[in-house]
Amino acid sequence: GAGVSQTPSNKVTEKGKYVELRCDPISGHTALYWYRQSLGQGPEFLIYFQGTGAADDSGLPNDRFFAVRPEGSVSTLKIQRTERGDSAVYLCASSVGQGKNEQFFGPGTRLTVL
Amino acid sequence: AQSVAQPEDQVNVAEGNPLTVKCTYSVSGNPYLFWYVQYPNRGLQFLLKYITGDNLVKGSYGFEAEFNKSQTSFHLKKPSALVSDSALYFCAVRDYSGSARQLTFGSGTQLTVLP
Repeated sequence: GAGVSQTPSNKVTEKGKYVELRCDPISGHTALYWYRQSLGQGPEFLIYFQGTGAADDSGLPNDRFFAVRPEGSVSTLKIQRTERGDSAVYLCASSVGQGKNEQFFGPGTRLTVL
Repeated sequence: AQSVAQPEDQVNVAEGNPLTVKCTYSVSGNPYLFWYVQYPNRGLQFLLKYITGDNLVKGSYGFEAEFNKSQTSFHLKKPSALVSDSALYFCAVRDYSGSARQLTFGSGTQLTVLP
């Protein structure tokens, strides 16, 4: 079956530009997560959606980062005024419900800010 | 708060030998524990999880992990390593007594199985 998909797979942008990263979760998964993975590190939590609403956005580093999930399926992570420090792999995951259920990860979007 | 430590950045083992990748955790309440594997340029793949019950958990590709509450550990093991097991392994935890729904990951352990 189809897994979690993310587009684009790679994004190169210039400092100060705006970017959008898209995540298409597994059909029927109500929970959706965004993580950020820097080189040599484990994924770090950014934001969690249960349905359409952001249930926990405590991992977003600052107000340049924002995410939406308007219809409870596809989600978009938006980064304004990108900085070189935003360069990382952005991972999306989804799960059936939450808690004890494993999260299924997409292949990630590699963001490079020049 | 919840945290995970993977004390070894790198583990090397000969093919056919048993392997262990170490993980310790810290939570305020009780843990859900997970192991994921990451191959180059690919997303994380779920291997196994501990929720409750039997302390020895069996997962994909012949991997297993043992939950030890007194030592707050959840080490990943395999009786006989394959070259194809070479990858980056991540341990993750979620405190099911807490409000957080996300996973907290360790920094990863690079496993290299030598032919």
